[in-house]
Amino acid sequence: AQSVTQLGSHVSVSEGALVLLRCNYSSSVPPYLFWYVQYPNQGLQLLLKYTSAATLVKGINGFEAEFKKSETSFHLTKPSAHMSDAAEYFCAVSDEAQAGTALIFGKGTTLSVSS
Amino acid sequence: EPEVTQTPSHQVTQMGQEVILRCVPISNHLYFYWYRQILGQKVEFLVSFYNNEISEKSEIFDDQFSVERPDGSNFTLKIRSTKLEDSAMYFCASSPPAGDRSYEQYFGPGTRLTVT
Repeated sequence: AQSVTQLGSHVSVSEGALVLLRCNYSSSVPPYLFWYVQYPNQGLQLLLKYTSAATLVKGINGFEAEFKKSETSFHLTKPSAHMSDAAEYFCAVSDEAQAGTALIFGKGTTLSVSS
Repeated sequence: EPEVTQTPSHQVTQMGQEVILRCVPISNHLYFYWYRQILGQKVEFLVSFYNNEISEKSEIFDDQFSVERPDGSNFTLKIRSTKLEDSAMYFCASSPPAGDRSYEQYFGPGTRLTVT
């Protein structure tokens, strides 16, 4: 069965600093991986996805993630944090990239950005 | 940009009461989902729905839960007899029709259910 572990429930960075949010997955089949962001009082918004194409995936708002099979990781990065990046970030895995398939989520990481 | 909407944003109910959580998926989407997040825990899959049938459900989705698409726009989650442990944020999601983006799930803002 698939699972996702997000290391660090809370990450704090200064504005302009590198953002690194960690995600490790467990899957018995090639996974499909997703990062979602949740701003206060809003729904989960898809940031980016990996579906067995390029291992480096670029998403919205300057975020990117790299799929590393050898490390079973899909860490989310952004070179320079902005105050508006403060939100909760969820990593998710699915064993099939098709509609109707459940997403398995990590517990989420809250990102704080200070000026 | 089209969005998934959910009502109410917050529902308070007494233990043993029935609740219905409502969702309006994005209009051309065909797959619908419910997830929940108990405070401090992971977002958990409950059920997916396609063509007026449940296509997948989790162990959480027992006989106390049901889903329905009563008309062309709404998608509902009913909990027949609520328990304290049903207190959670409930998220609705939908996916576009088959194609490159059919695996992308678009989420609503959630309904916070508090059972007292």
